[in-house]
Amino acid sequence: GAVVSQHPSWVICKSGTSVKIECRSLDFQATTMFWYRQFPKQSLMLMATSNEGSKATYEQGVEKDKFLINHASLTLSTLTVTSAHPEDSSFYICSAISGQVYEQYFGPGTRLTVT
Amino acid sequence: AQTVTQSQPEMSVQEAETVTLSCTYDTSESDYYLFWYKQPPSRQMILVIRQEAYKQQNATENRFSVNFQKAAKSFSLKISDSQLGDAAMYFCAYRIRVGGGADGLTFGKGTHLIIQP
Repeated sequence: GAVVSQHPSWVICKSGTSVKIECRSLDFQATTMFWYRQFPKQSLMLMATSNEGSKATYEQGVEKDKFLINHASLTLSTLTVTSAHPEDSSFYICSAISGQVYEQYFGPGTRLTVT
Repeated sequence: AQTVTQSQPEMSVQEAETVTLSCTYDTSESDYYLFWYKQPPSRQMILVIRQEAYKQQNATENRFSVNFQKAAKSFSLKISDSQLGDAAMYFCAYRIRVGGGADGLTFGKGTHLIIQP
């Protein structure tokens, strides 16, 4: 149980275009989902927290107009990178929790390459 | 703001030996969780072990155990009988406990663990 999927696993897009990444909880209802960014050989940095049906909360320094997060249902959150640039190339990981529990269930990540 | 520091970018250990990974953190909170996560080459994050700050007893999970020193804000991971499958990046992480689960994790920079056969 407690499986989180991400789609796509790898995406290449051209500079200036937008790309959407999906995060789904497959066998539980995710009341909260988190989006992290991981640069090569570096740590995970929390980008934003989203609760179903409400606006996402962004960490300091994260551009909310560039990284649009939507948590439309209890099983789906999306991250849209708008007007992507090469510096947005990174590994994006989502995680999800159900209720007030300690464990976050992580998705397998999405590698974004902007050319 | 909370910070998590892992001072060992890379560690190497012989198979079947024991290795300890270090982690220190800084917080003004008294109630929080600490975690060790494993990230193998597949990059899937795997929870290894967790510790609640209010518990004095160190957490153990099979070959994995922690040494939690709350006053010193230290949280090290000991891996006994190291196996080839233990090779991965290991991240120490912190999360405040109060206010429910809707708080993200703060990660350290990670330690790359190499297992020598």
